[in-house]
Amino acid sequence: EAQVTQNPRYLITVTGKKLTVTCSQNMNHEYMSWYRQDPGLGLRQIYYSMNVEVTDKGDVPEGYKVSRKEKRNFPLILESPSPNQTSLYFCASSWSSGEKGNEQFFGPGTRLTVL
Amino acid sequence: LAKTTQPISMDSYEGQEVNITCSHNNIATNDYITWYQQFPSQGPRFIIQGYKTKVTNEVASLFIPADRKSSTLSLPRVSLSDTAVYYCLVGDISGNQFYFGTGTSLTVIP
Repeated sequence: EAQVTQNPRYLITVTGKKLTVTCSQNMNHEYMSWYRQDPGLGLRQIYYSMNVEVTDKGDVPEGYKVSRKEKRNFPLILESPSPNQTSLYFCASSWSSGEKGNEQFFGPGTRLTVL
Repeated sequence: LAKTTQPISMDSYEGQEVNITCSHNNIATNDYITWYQQFPSQGPRFIIQGYKTKVTNEVASLFIPADRKSSTLSLPRVSLSDTAVYYCLVGDISGNQFYFGTGTSLTVIP
């Protein structure tokens, strides 16, 4: 089954404790992206990657890091989480060009709480 | 990166046709218009995409006028399960940044 998986689905942590949210896709997509969703602010893009070893900032990259060492994986790293990073996080993937370029497939989401 | 404007919320009765209009005055020549649907606590799901005129699939229709400064997502005969947030996006199909905004919250009433 074609899918995007994220782990963990739920995480409660404390300020300053480094964490990683993993994202993996099995569709051989070049493009992957991370979003955060907050009430009243909608869905905002954090980072994206056009292909292996190619990453770039989205609208709200501060406090986050990403890496793309393999095509299928795109982990989101919070080196020193703060309470304002409490949010619902989504990973997505798609082809990088062609008619399907805008059709993103989303993961189930990771609900993060930073105390 | 073209931004879009949509109504914040809409209500509709079951069985009615629902039209959600999106404004994108700064759309570029290479931009496509894409709509997503999101249910609570789930990731958005692609519904439909178009460039001009009309596109129809098994879920919805997308109407785009000649000037492309707006578009209308049409959902025929909605049911309670169509209650969701609908997002309109504008961007190049080989683009990399996506702006979802806050979308339109559709509530279908029995």
